[in-house]
Amino acid sequence: EAGVVQSPRYKIIEKKQPVAFWCNPISGHNTLYWYLQNLGQGPELLIRYENEEAVDDSQLPKDRFSAERLKGVDSTLKIQPAELGDSAVYLCASSPGIAGEVGELFFGEGSRLTVL
Amino acid sequence: QQPVQSPQAVILREGEDAVINCSSSKALYSVHWYRQKHGEAPVFLMILLKGGEQKGHEKISASFNEKKQQSSLYLTASQLSYSGTYFCGTENPAGNKLTFGGGTRVLVKP
Repeated sequence: EAGVVQSPRYKIIEKKQPVAFWCNPISGHNTLYWYLQNLGQGPELLIRYENEEAVDDSQLPKDRFSAERLKGVDSTLKIQPAELGDSAVYLCASSPGIAGEVGELFFGEGSRLTVL
Repeated sequence: QQPVQSPQAVILREGEDAVINCSSSKALYSVHWYRQKHGEAPVFLMILLKGGEQKGHEKISASFNEKKQQSSLYLTASQLSYSGTYFCGTENPAGNKLTFGGGTRVLVKP
């Protein structure tokens, strides 16, 4: 069975440019997460989806970040405009979505963003 | 609030043991452990639930002290493949949020 697929793996852009990351979760997984991981640090939650609904976006910087999960499957995370401090790895994860608990997360390999 | 992991890094010889600690200032529903190798995705190791139930599929073991809001991961008779960064994730009592610690880098040498 295919795992969580993310693209692109690497992206280099100039500051103020827009960028988008795509995630295809494991088939049947209702819950999808976007995490940000800075070098040498643990993943930090940006947004969590239950099916197509964003149930926790409290840590998403909404002035420049946006996300969507169409039809409760694939998801896109966008940054516009990008700033130097946005350089990081953006991880997507999915889980079966067991009621009342987070459960095991299945992570993609991440999209590494470098903003120049 | 992010859980605190210690030590930040540890170097072992193959066959040696190590303990990684994770502590939280808030009440916990469960503790999760993940391992991430350089340039790769974090991989699930285990979940420790309130009440002592443990779910995992690795030979690496762990404990969860609910009262002290702490968990420890035990690397016993370490193998070269144990090298990587270990993250604990603490789940809030509502069971809907996982917050990761800063990680512990483990290097196992031959």
